[in-house]
Amino acid sequence: GAGVSQSPRYKVTKRGQDVALRCDPISGHVSLYWYRQALGQGPEFLTYFNYEAQQDKSGLPNDRFSAERPEGSISTLTIQRTEQRDSAMYRCASSLGPPSGGVSYNEQFFGPGTRLTVL
Amino acid sequence: ILNVEQSPQSLHVQEGDSTNFTCSFPSSNFYALHWYRWETAKSPEALFVMTLNGDEKKKGRISATLNTKEGYSYLYIKGSQPEDSATYLCALSSGGYQKVTFGTGTKLQVIP
Repeated sequence: GAGVSQSPRYKVTKRGQDVALRCDPISGHVSLYWYRQALGQGPEFLTYFNYEAQQDKSGLPNDRFSAERPEGSISTLTIQRTEQRDSAMYRCASSLGPPSGGVSYNEQFFGPGTRLTVL
Repeated sequence: ILNVEQSPQSLHVQEGDSTNFTCSFPSSNFYALHWYRWETAKSPEALFVMTLNGDEKKKGRISATLNTKEGYSYLYIKGSQPEDSATYLCALSSGGYQKVTFGTGTKLQVIP
């Protein structure tokens, strides 16, 4: 089936504006993750969901960042009052579900990312 | 803050050479170690997930080993090809086990 999709692929906004980034996971995937990736760096964890429940948001940089997944499928990452330092690639990933049995870990499939530029 | 370190940062090898690189991580609260292959302008692609000390995984010419007691994993590429050129990322799950911390990657360039 289709992979993880994200929209928009590119977003340019002015400082102070709010932006909403969308992630559509692979159908049937329970877990959904958000990452931020600076140029030349590995992804940095932001938050993740199992179904509609946000399990860990410790990676969100500050309270301008929030995420939701109200029906356990599509997720939105919202950044309020954007600042230039928020410019980055925002990636979403999904997996079948949480690890099970202590030894089974489901791989994450990444989307193409949204390149956010704050002017 | 978890420290996941990868070395070297970058390397160039000749086509046909075999190579390996290292991921080091804190061994406490270990849950899983992931390897990803990431080509610029594309999304990271999962190679392996390993959870048990002594795990070895293989996919074609690429293999990985895991030592959770001493906190390291090796990724090996046998007979490197130009299409292997990419950044190889490792990532650690520990403690809150679905939270994943990535290293900064090893950028491999295979010269034809």
